[in-house]
Parts: sequence; C-alpha cells; structure tokens
Amino acid sequence: KAGVTQTPRYLIKTRGQQVTLSCSPISGHRSVSWYQQTPGQGLQFLFEYFSETQRNKGNFPGRFSGRQFSNSRSEMNVSTLELGDSALYLCASSLWDTNTEAFFGQGTRLTVV
Amino acid sequence: QKEVEQNSGPLSVPEGAIASLNCTYSDRGSQSFFWYRQYSGKSPELIMFIYSNGDKEDGRFTAQLNKASQYVSLLIRDSQPSDSATYLCAPSNDYKLSFGAGTTVTVRA
Repeated sequence: KAGVTQTPRYLIKTRGQQVTLSCSPISGHRSVSWYQQTPGQGLQFLFEYFSETQRNKGNFPGRFSGRQFSNSRSEMNVSTLELGDSALYLCASSLWDTNTEAFFGQGTRLTVV
Repeated sequence: QKEVEQNSGPLSVPEGAIASLNCTYSDRGSQSFFWYRQYSGKSPELIMFIYSNGDKEDGRFTAQLNKASQYVSLLIRDSQPSDSATYLCAPSNDYKLSFGAGTTVTVRA
C-alpha cells in the first residue's frame, strides 16, 4: 500500500514568489492535514481538509491557503514568500473518523532566498 | 502554559534499558494521543496512538494515558541504538494534532 506522497521534495524560491505544494494521501484516506516544521517553532498545524472541506485552520496568515480535490489529493499554496517561510512542510493523511491514525509524508523542504 | 509539554531532553539511556517519555497537555477536549518518532532530517513516523485511559502495548512500546491528569507517556523497553531519535507527543482534537517540542533520546551501546 503506497504511503503519503508529497511533491516536490525540495524547492528553492525567491522572496515575493508564490509556491504550490502537493500531497497525495494513502488510498482510501479522505482527510489531509498540513503542518509546518521549523527548528524554532517545531511542528505547527496549518489546516485540515476532509471531502474537499476545510474543517480546521491554524494560526497562519492568509498567505497560506489550501484546497482538496475530489480524489482527496491536496495542495497548499503560499503567496508572497518571506524568508521565514523556509521550513519543512508536512502532509498527513488519515481516515479521520474519531481515533484513527495519521500518517505523514516525506515532506517538502522549502527554502526562501 | 504550552499546549503540550514533554520532558526536556536529551535523554540518554544504555542499550537494553527502559526509556521513559512523558507528556502533559492542556486541552481537555483532546480525544486521541499520538506518539511519533522522528529521525534527523526525516518526517515523523507513527509509533502508537491511544485514546482510552490505561495502557496500550505494541512490541517494545507501551503508551499510558490518564485523561484526568492530562498525562500521556511512552515507555520503550529493551532500548536499541536504532531507537535514537526525537519522540513527539501529539494530542488530537478538532481534526488537528498539537505537537510538543519533542524529547531527544540517545541509546548508547
């Protein structure tokens, strides 16, 4: 069974640009959530989608957005990139009824220069 | 007060010993509790999750949950060098995981 797939694995962008990251969940999983990991802040929740609906959103500026497609694949977008957006972006998939496991992808390492 | 607090590391244990990791959380609405292991430069790997009070065992790992005390722990028995990693505690509520800062464990041969 394939795991959570995130593309691309690495990205280098310039300040002010925008970026789109992709996540394909485990087959049959309908929930996709996104997290940002930095050395200073640790793992922080960005947002969660289930059946194309955002059910929860973390405390990030509006430059961070996401969406989910009917096949459960998800994308997140960051506009007007700042140096502080450099981080590992992780996607997790789950069935997400109550009390189900959440599995992470390999992540996308974004560097903003 | 942080949402999720884990015992500060690093925690150094000899091979074959028990590593004990602790986690307290502030959100009483938390329903499930996850333990992830993260090797340097890698993504978090799910070790266990627990949602009922008491103990849950899986191989060398035992998770313990006490919702009244808002406390969850992870025991690693017969620690191996391959267990050297950062362990992350993550309560879940409202479709999100809230992560602690992690405890780094080093198993010395």
